[in-house]
Amino acid sequence: AQSVTQPDIHITVSEGASLELRCNYSYGATPYLFWYVQSPGQGLQLLLKYFSGDTLVQGIKGFEAEFKRSQSSFNLRKPSVHWSDAAEYFCAVGARRSGNTPLVFGKGTRLSVIA
Amino acid sequence: NAGVTQTPKFRVLKTGQSMTLLCAQDMNHEYMYWYRQDPGMGLRLIHYSVGEGTTAKGEVPDGYNVSRLKKQNFLLGLESAAPSQTSVYFCASRPTGGNTEAFFGQGTRLTVV
Repeated sequence: AQSVTQPDIHITVSEGASLELRCNYSYGATPYLFWYVQSPGQGLQLLLKYFSGDTLVQGIKGFEAEFKRSQSSFNLRKPSVHWSDAAEYFCAVGARRSGNTPLVFGKGTRLSVIA
Repeated sequence: NAGVTQTPKFRVLKTGQSMTLLCAQDMNHEYMYWYRQDPGMGLRLIHYSVGEGTTAKGEVPDGYNVSRLKKQNFLLGLESAAPSQTSVYFCASRPTGGNTEAFFGQGTRLTVV
């Protein structure tokens, strides 16, 4: 079974600073990987996803993530954070071998943005 | 296109009462899921369905039942609510295939007093 670890529970960054949110997964093969964002009081919105091919994927709102097989990681990055990026971010992994296996989510990282 | 719609959005129950949460999707997705979200716990899967008429247990199924009588609807029932079931509940749907994303509803905030 797959699993996801997001080591950072809460991160605070200054507006305009760069951001990196960490995600490590456990799975016996190359997984499908996702990043979702949840604004306060809202549901989850997909930021980006990795299925295959180029290991650097671009998403919405200026986010990108890089799949590193050797490190079992899929870290989310943004070069310059805006105050509106304050939210909770979830990494998720899907099983390549069994398409109907539900996505497994990490516990999330809460991002605060200060002026 | 409404996507995934959850009803109700808020509810307060007394301990021992029952209720049903409704999830409806209009994207013709085969897979549907119920998650609960609690502080520091992330999203935990309660039950899921891979097709009309089928359901399966997730990580935290105790105290909940589900039904998928129609492809577009996935119902989550609480037969006898407990304070430990105070949470935010999210429904999601997903097309077939592993390389597909899940689409989420806006959530139902349930408080059991």
